[in-house]
Amino acid sequence: SAVISQKPSRDICQRGTSLTIQCQVDSQVTMMFWYRQQPGQSLTLIATANQGSEATYESGFVIDKFPISRPNLTFSTLTVSNMSPEDSSIYLCSVQRGTDTQYFGPGTRLTVL
Amino acid sequence: QKEVEQNSGPLSVPEGAIASLNCTYSDRGSQSFFWYRQYSGKSPELIMSIYSNGDKEDGRFTAQLNKASQYVSLLIRDSQPSDSATYLCAVNLGNNDMRFGAGTRLTVKP
Repeated sequence: SAVISQKPSRDICQRGTSLTIQCQVDSQVTMMFWYRQQPGQSLTLIATANQGSEATYESGFVIDKFPISRPNLTFSTLTVSNMSPEDSSIYLCSVQRGTDTQYFGPGTRLTVL
Repeated sequence: QKEVEQNSGPLSVPEGAIASLNCTYSDRGSQSFFWYRQYSGKSPELIMSIYSNGDKEDGRFTAQLNKASQYVSLLIRDSQPSDSATYLCAVNLGNNDMRFGAGTRLTVKP
């Protein structure tokens, strides 16, 4: 498995501002992922973040809105930019161990007023 | 058609009973399958993975995979109130492309 931490665990933000979420893993991983989970919904992949390359975004998600950094093999950040109430959600990072198994961080609960 | 489908529930079983959770998927080329448990307000926690047709047992949990029929199920024996959670089925389509079902909410009543 993996020990994953996320900061902040929750935040309440004003419309039009930005929030950067940090994800830290206890050991080096190649693949990290960022998901969004809206209330009562399942997980939606935002992007895949590999160290040393640009993040790969899923349909409906763009770099200007969700810029991602991956400076090393244990850390990544996701920024939610120019927030609106529709961005209120839980944001989860996950890491891949082995060929295909993902483990999730504790999540960041974001509320946008 | 959704890629991964689950009955949203809620599924309610009495304590000590067997809970049966089902999942179907649309991509015949899928090779790996996962069950996650998610308690309210928490992140998903991996319970089991399964790659081959048949059953895989781990304690009170049994995952069943039938690739011909494109379904995967999770059985929880001797269900406990602490098993009450949402169970997410996940299917890896290949190329690190993991798709999640909407989840089935399970309630185990004492």
